[in-house]
Amino acid sequence: EVQLVDSGGGQVKPGGSLRLSCAASGFTLSSYSLNWVRQAPGKGLEWVACISSRSSYIYYAESVKGRFTISRDNAKKSLFLQMSSLRAEDTAVYYCARDPAPTGRGAFDIWGQGTMVTVS
Amino acid sequence: SYVLTQPPSVSVAPGKTARITCGGNNMGTKSVHWYQQKPGQAPVLLIYYDSDRPSGIPERFSGSNSGNTATLTISRVEAGDEADYYCQVWDSSSAHQVFGGGTKLTVL
Repeated sequence: EVQLVDSGGGQVKPGGSLRLSCAASGFTLSSYSLNWVRQAPGKGLEWVACISSRSSYIYYAESVKGRFTISRDNAKKSLFLQMSSLRAEDTAVYYCARDPAPTGRGAFDIWGQGTMVTVS
Repeated sequence: SYVLTQPPSVSVAPGKTARITCGGNNMGTKSVHWYQQKPGQAPVLLIYYDSDRPSGIPERFSGSNSGNTATLTISRVEAGDEADYYCQVWDSSSAHQVFGGGTKLTVL
């Protein structure tokens, strides 16, 4: 089964750090771009970051640039989001999402179940 | 940065047709994707590249894109279609993915 499983969420104090992970199964991770998308409680979807299939292209939303780092390990079928200098407004459910476009400019066809990050 | 504008809510009776719009500058020059999200669940891709449907998505869901507006059309609406719907594009100017604010579809 094609699947993404998010993990690593939790409660952290303002200014703290957290590392999210996303484990892929059922497909060849190295053929896809990957994204993090977040959703604050009761709010809409907000794109956070993207990494292309070979890590050649990395993009960040302005709201997290300089504080968050996206990375991937294709051999371990994993995606990561290192979050630092966390703020209350970073509180959200974080989803990893797959994009079939190798340069990361397409649609998100598979999503993880989400992991909750609370900054308080 | 590029902005996508969706109506906050749309209401429709069962069996009727719902149309959810997504407005943006020169929208017709971009590829638009649509997602459905039900409470407590992750989003699901409904339409990609303006009008293509992933396998498993009913033909009742269709998309179009022209001018400054993309439209998601849901025919023969069912109670199970009640959800939030989001549009999304890649903005090459900013190198960002952009989501619309979302539209809550209520089935009367």
